[in-house]
Amino acid sequence: DAGVIQSPRHEVTEMGQEVTLRCKPISGHDYLFWYRQTMMRGLELLIYFNNNVPIDDSGMPEDRFSAKMPNASFSTLKIQPSEPRDSAVYFCASSFPRYGYTFGSGTRLTVV
Amino acid sequence: GESVGLHLPTLSVQEGDNSIINCAYSNSASDYFIWYKQESGKGPQFIIDIRSNMDKRQGQRVTVLLNKTVKHLSLQIAATQPGDSAVYFCAESYSGNTPLVFGKGTRLSVIA
Repeated sequence: DAGVIQSPRHEVTEMGQEVTLRCKPISGHDYLFWYRQTMMRGLELLIYFNNNVPIDDSGMPEDRFSAKMPNASFSTLKIQPSEPRDSAVYFCASSFPRYGYTFGSGTRLTVV
Repeated sequence: GESVGLHLPTLSVQEGDNSIINCAYSNSASDYFIWYKQESGKGPQFIIDIRSNMDKRQGQRVTVLLNKTVKHLSLQIAATQPGDSAVYFCAESYSGNTPLVFGKGTRLSVIA
């Protein structure tokens, strides 16, 4: 198994532009999570899905952030418009219930 | 690689010594705990987990101890190696199906 696959690994964009981050979870995992990691706040949960359905998006910072999971093998996190304070590493993780999560390698986003 | 944090607590140990990393968790109702290791430029990697009906669990060179009375979790690494240098996070969840909440992390530095 290739694990959780995220793309791109690095993204540099200008303020105001739309950014789309992508994630392919491990096949068979029911849960998918999007986390954001910054120096100041550590790892924060943004949103998670169970069987492709969003369960809790209370961690999404603003309406500029949206996430979708159109099928069991793909999810996107979109920021529109992006701002410099969105600069962070964004991780996707997937899991079975009651098991530890498997994280992807992350997308480092820099908004200039 | 991705920046994890510049102001994390740091533990420095000599190669071959044992390491103990501590974590205070926040929710007395949490019943599932995990330790993750994050190396520079990578996503968090599962090390070991423990459920609240246990107070100790051992893996290969690692032991997790749980003290529910004082809401304390520790990770012991035996015969620490240079490859153990990383940031270590504890994480907790309630019922195992709720999203993991991560601690701030501790940086382990192994001196060869």
